[in-house]
Amino acid sequence: SAVISQKPSRDICQRGTSLTIQCQVDSQVTMMFWYRQQPGQSLTLIATANQGSEATYESGFVIDKFPISRPNLTFSTLTVSNMSPEDSSIYLCSVLADDSYNEQFFGPGTRLTVL
Amino acid sequence: DAKTTQPPSMDCAEGRAANLPCNHSTISGNEYVYWYRQIHSQGPQYIIHGLKNNETNEMASLIITEDRKSSTLILPHATLRDTAVYYCIVRVESGGSNYKLTFGKGTLLTVNP
Repeated sequence: SAVISQKPSRDICQRGTSLTIQCQVDSQVTMMFWYRQQPGQSLTLIATANQGSEATYESGFVIDKFPISRPNLTFSTLTVSNMSPEDSSIYLCSVLADDSYNEQFFGPGTRLTVL
Repeated sequence: DAKTTQPPSMDCAEGRAANLPCNHSTISGNEYVYWYRQIHSQGPQYIIHGLKNNETNEMASLIITEDRKSSTLILPHATLRDTAVYYCIVRVESGGSNYKLTFGKGTLLTVNP
């Protein structure tokens, strides 16, 4: 299993600013994912961030807007840049345990409100 | 990627079995069916997965039809804490070892006292 913590748990930001969300895992994992969940909606994958390689972004998401760092096997950050009210969402970090690709673990999420 | 279809909402009485259906008629032969749930204000939680055989664990049972075009998640004795959005997902693979889950809208299961 994997236990994931995220910081901050929530934030209120002004438009035009940037916020960096941290994801910490209690074990070493190769595969890590960042999702967005807009109000009342399902989860949408932003990018896959595997350690040792550049993040792979899904259609509709670009690195300039959502830069991701993955410095080691237990940590990652997602930055939401030049925020607008449309970026108000819950951002979730998720990992696959290296010993099993069948169960994906999710963090508690970061609730972002952009004014 | 195979797509899934689920009813938007269902109700269930506490203590009764909750049967959540999912259609995945375009599933490929090597794709698995996964079920996750998301309790309000929490991240999704893995429940169970299967390929073609029925599966059971401490949380639920998964029944997959012989043609694999549909499945049913069964919570044998639903409790109020099972109220959540349940997602049926067909696993896709992209780019070699990459693996990702594509979430649909899911089914909001409300367990009533």
